[in-house]
Amino acid sequence: QKEVEQNSGPLSVPEGAIASLNCTYSDRGSQSFFWYRQYSGKSPELIMFIYSNGDKEDGRFTAQLNKASQYVSLLIRDSQPSDSATYLCAVNGEVTGFQKLVFGTGTRLLVSP
Amino acid sequence: KAGVTQTPRYLIKTRGQQVTLSCSPISGHRSVSWYQQTPGQGLQFLFEYFSETQRNKGNFPGRFSGRQFSNSRSEMNVSTLELGDSALYLCATKPTSSWGEQYFGPGTRLTVT
Repeated sequence: QKEVEQNSGPLSVPEGAIASLNCTYSDRGSQSFFWYRQYSGKSPELIMFIYSNGDKEDGRFTAQLNKASQYVSLLIRDSQPSDSATYLCAVNGEVTGFQKLVFGTGTRLLVSP
Repeated sequence: KAGVTQTPRYLIKTRGQQVTLSCSPISGHRSVSWYQQTPGQGLQFLFEYFSETQRNKGNFPGRFSGRQFSNSRSEMNVSTLELGDSALYLCATKPTSSWGEQYFGPGTRLTVT
């Protein structure tokens, strides 16, 4: 079982729709959860992080965390073609080490005009 | 604030050679981590340094090494290069007071021929 799992996609949504990206993790000791966006040929860019159960909103982005189900998600409202990228989920915690992020393989999002 | 800088941005080396990559963190960030990104393995943690000390290390052979200087700048070295070392090498830095969020530099694209 991989430590962090994501559906590789691509996830295709029309412009203006809500994109829902999901991530599960295996280490129950994980404490912080991160979403990065990576455009082709570029480095990952931090979008949001969350550490408490529930929702955290920042503009068009909402991160959702459910530690009991070991599940974290990212919602992108009013999706734009410029949101087309690979979205990486990352976690850290006791087992992996707080200094280290463990990444999923990413979900490719395609937003069509 | 200036972002994380990495040099060089692109590098072509021959098998058996060695290479040194450099990373300058965001001002005030003392933690520097290195990651390798390949299409097959995704983003994998190499090591992390804080105050010139390696605090965590990933599952890479001893050919991969690093160090950190007193000004928090970091270098990583790969000796006896193999074709499989071709990858994007990313440096990420973390604020001292944080939930673990890391900010990536633009990366160094290493090609081994």
